[in-house]
Amino acid sequence: EAQVTQNPRYLITVTGKKLTVTCSQNMNHEYMSWYRQDPGLGLRQIYYSMNVEVTDKGDVPEGYKVSRKEKRNFPLILESPSPNQTSLYFCASSFGRGRETQYFGPGTRLLVL
Amino acid sequence: GESVGLHLPTLSVQEGDNSIINCAYSNSASDYFIWYKQESGKGPQFIIDIRSNMDKRQGQRVTVLLNKTVKHLSLQIAATQPGDSAVYFCAERWYNTDKLIFGTGTRLQVFP
Repeated sequence: EAQVTQNPRYLITVTGKKLTVTCSQNMNHEYMSWYRQDPGLGLRQIYYSMNVEVTDKGDVPEGYKVSRKEKRNFPLILESPSPNQTSLYFCASSFGRGRETQYFGPGTRLLVL
Repeated sequence: GESVGLHLPTLSVQEGDNSIINCAYSNSASDYFIWYKQESGKGPQFIIDIRSNMDKRQGQRVTVLLNKTVKHLSLQIAATQPGDSAVYFCAERWYNTDKLIFGTGTRLQVFP
């Protein structure tokens, strides 16, 4: 089944404790992206990657890091999480430069205390 | 900065009626638009898209209309069903960029 998977689905952590949210897709997509979703603000892009070893900042990259060492994986790293990073995170992928249909993962709900 | 917005945060319709969800965008340079559906507890799901060189595109029970003159996008759902209940987002892509800018969403509620 073609899909985007994220882990964990739910995470509670404390300020400053490094964490990684994994994202994997099995559709051989070149383009992958991370979003956060907050009430009243909609989906905002954090980082995106057009291919292996190619990443770029989205609209809200502060406090986040990403890597794209393999085509299928695009982990989101929070080196020192803060409470304002409490949010719902979605990973997405597509074939093209983001102009094609994006497939979204199920989401990761993060609470930073 | 420029952003995508929605006129109505919540739309309630009766089952079988047609639904119209509206979206205003402010960036006249956007050349690609998408509608997504997000059900509770799930990630957004692609519904339909349209490029700026078109003004209408139809899918199965859905139609997207683009009015570039007034920078307005709408999603029409024919014969709305209970399974259509969800939050709907419009998104725009700025010309020659890889960024998608999403609206805040409209909740569609379908009652019997």
